[in-house]
Amino acid sequence: AQSVSQHNHHVILSEAASLELGCNYSYGGTVNLFWYVQYPGQHLQLLLKYFSGDPLVKGIKGFEAEFIKSKFSFNLRKPSVQWSDTAEYFCAALAGNAGNMLTFGGGTRLMVKP
Amino acid sequence: DVKVTQSSRYLVKRTGEKVFLECVQDMDHENMFWYRQDPGLGLRLIYFSYDVKMKEKGDIPEGYSVSREKKERFSLILESASTNQTSMYLCASGLGSGSTDTQYFGPGTRLTVL
Repeated sequence: AQSVSQHNHHVILSEAASLELGCNYSYGGTVNLFWYVQYPGQHLQLLLKYFSGDPLVKGIKGFEAEFIKSKFSFNLRKPSVQWSDTAEYFCAALAGNAGNMLTFGGGTRLMVKP
Repeated sequence: DVKVTQSSRYLVKRTGEKVFLECVQDMDHENMFWYRQDPGLGLRLIYFSYDVKMKEKGDIPEGYSVSREKKERFSLILESASTNQTSMYLCASGLGSGSTDTQYFGPGTRLTVL
């Protein structure tokens, strides 16, 4: 069965610091990858997704993620975080043979200090 | 905009009670999903449905059942609630195009079982 790992459960940064959140998945075949974000008190919402093509994916609010197939990774990055980026971030994978079943990582809670 | 609504934001029930969580989507999506979200564990799929009256078990179906009598509505049922079912429950819907599917989430229901 596929699995998704997010190695950092809690990250604390100061404003303007650069962010990189790790995500690794276990499936070796075709895989689609997602980052979701949940701001305090709000719905889970899609930040960005990778299906095919350019492995560097740009999402909303200045976030980007790079799919590195050889490392089974899909790390999320932002060059300069803001206080409003404080949220929980979830990586998810959809394996080619899993139908419509997304597998989520455990989440990373990001706190940005003003 | 896709809208996914859940019947309650907060629910408190007693052990042994039968609990119904309702989810409605307004975008004619084929797929609907129920997850539970627990700290450090991310989102775990309980059940999903790809058509009316069709359902598939997710990763943690034990203690739960589901019902999909109409395309827009997907219900999660706890036949006899237990304290270990205290959690945040998230409903999601998606188009059902397989590998290109994006899931849209509802606001969640925080269930406490006493």
